Amino acid sequence: GAGVSQSPSNKVTEKGKDVELRCDPISGHTALYWYRQSLGQGLEFLIYFQGNSAPDKSGLPSDRFSAERTGGSVSTLTIQRTQQEDSAVYLCASSLRDSLLGSYNEQFFGPGTRLTVL
Amino acid sequence: AQSVSQHNHHVILSEAASLELGCNYSYGGTVNLFWYVQYPGQHLQLLLKYFSGDPLVKGIKGFEAEFIKSKFSFNLRKPSVQWSDTAEYFCAVNAINAGNMLTFGGGTRLMVKP
Repeated sequence: GAGVSQSPSNKVTEKGKDVELRCDPISGHTALYWYRQSLGQGLEFLIYFQGNSAPDKSGLPSDRFSAERTGGSVSTLTIQRTQQEDSAVYLCASSLRDSLLGSYNEQFFGPGTRLTVL
Repeated sequence: AQSVSQHNHHVILSEAASLELGCNYSYGGTVNLFWYVQYPGQHLQLLLKYFSGDPLVKGIKGFEAEFIKSKFSFNLRKPSVQWSDTAEYFCAVNAINAGNMLTFGGGTRLMVKP
């Protein structure tokens, strides 16, 4: 079946501009996660959405970053007034809730969006 | 907050050599443990996972990992590597009852020489 998809695959923007990154999770997956992969910081958690609960935003690096998930499916990560240090690969993942344990299973990752801020 | 350490940043091996990549985490509670692999130009893929039960878990492509709770370790092993194993390997921890996010180690770049 279809995996996690992300768009665009590459985004080049100028410092100070806003960008929107999109994630389509695997159908039926109730949890959706955003991570960032950069040379200096490795793989960092940003935010996750769990069903209809309020998102866990504890990983967002600044208030320039925000994300929403509409209808429990597609998610958009928005970065306002981009800075050069925002350059990274932004990864989205989704997972399915274990009906017996009530916990979430492995996360399936998308191909990422490579963001370059000039 | 939990953290994950991978001791080897770069590993170079010849084909047929044995592989062991170290992973240690810091978290006192219950954890789920994962190894992900990223082949050149591809996205992250799950190699194997440990949730509970037998601490020796087997994954795809002949990889295995052993969870040693007393050492907070989850080392990845493969008895005989192939050139196609050239990739970056990430250990990750999900701390139960501390959110569902993964905390990743810094990654290990493995190069296998043919």
